[in-house]
Amino acid sequence: NAGVMQNPRHLVRRRGQEARLRCSPMKGHSHVYWYRQLPEEGLKFMVYLQKENIIDESGMPKERFSAEFPKEGPSILRIQQVVRGDSAAYFCASSRQSGAEAFFGQGTRLTVV
Amino acid sequence: QQQVKQSPQSLIVQKGGISIINCAYENTAFDYFPWYQQFPGKGPALLIAIRPDVSEKKEGRFTISFNKSAKQFSLHIMDSQPGDSATYFCAATYGGATNKLIFGTGTLLAVQP
Repeated sequence: NAGVMQNPRHLVRRRGQEARLRCSPMKGHSHVYWYRQLPEEGLKFMVYLQKENIIDESGMPKERFSAEFPKEGPSILRIQQVVRGDSAAYFCASSRQSGAEAFFGQGTRLTVV
Repeated sequence: QQQVKQSPQSLIVQKGGISIINCAYENTAFDYFPWYQQFPGKGPALLIAIRPDVSEKKEGRFTISFNKSAKQFSLHIMDSQPGDSATYFCAATYGGATNKLIFGTGTLLAVQP
């Protein structure tokens, strides 16, 4: 009974490169949420997705960031042309339905050098 | 208005003592207030949660006290143990979107043996 799986756990990118963060939800979960945690700060909501649909992207930066949750495969958070300020821990959570408890993965720690 | 303010930033408690962490909010539309526990290198895990129709909820050694008129809520950890040493986040949300959470900035708790 695996939990929410995120990979990679650590990712180093040079400025201007692309970062792809993957999240496989728990079995039976079709709702995925992405959060970003900057150093010394709490988690900030980014986007809420169901299979093949973006439900709420109110926390996503307007440029360079995108997310998807295809019918098959993991959810992907994509950051294009990364900058130093993108360095953070990115957490994914999943739930069985929108009002049910969400379980968090261990996060991907992105470092932009 | 969307913020949740958390204090203290860090807390040192002796084994067996009571740990108290406080949060305050402005948005009266918030109707769900969870607390999360996060160990280093791990994702946040739901600890206990409360809705504003009750003033207190207790689960084992963990208690949430809720003051609707003051727009404040707090986490009390009774008989604190070294294994409780972690970062604690309060959060809030509304409208049934229980997983689009507004997080506090976290409290690093250290319980000394």
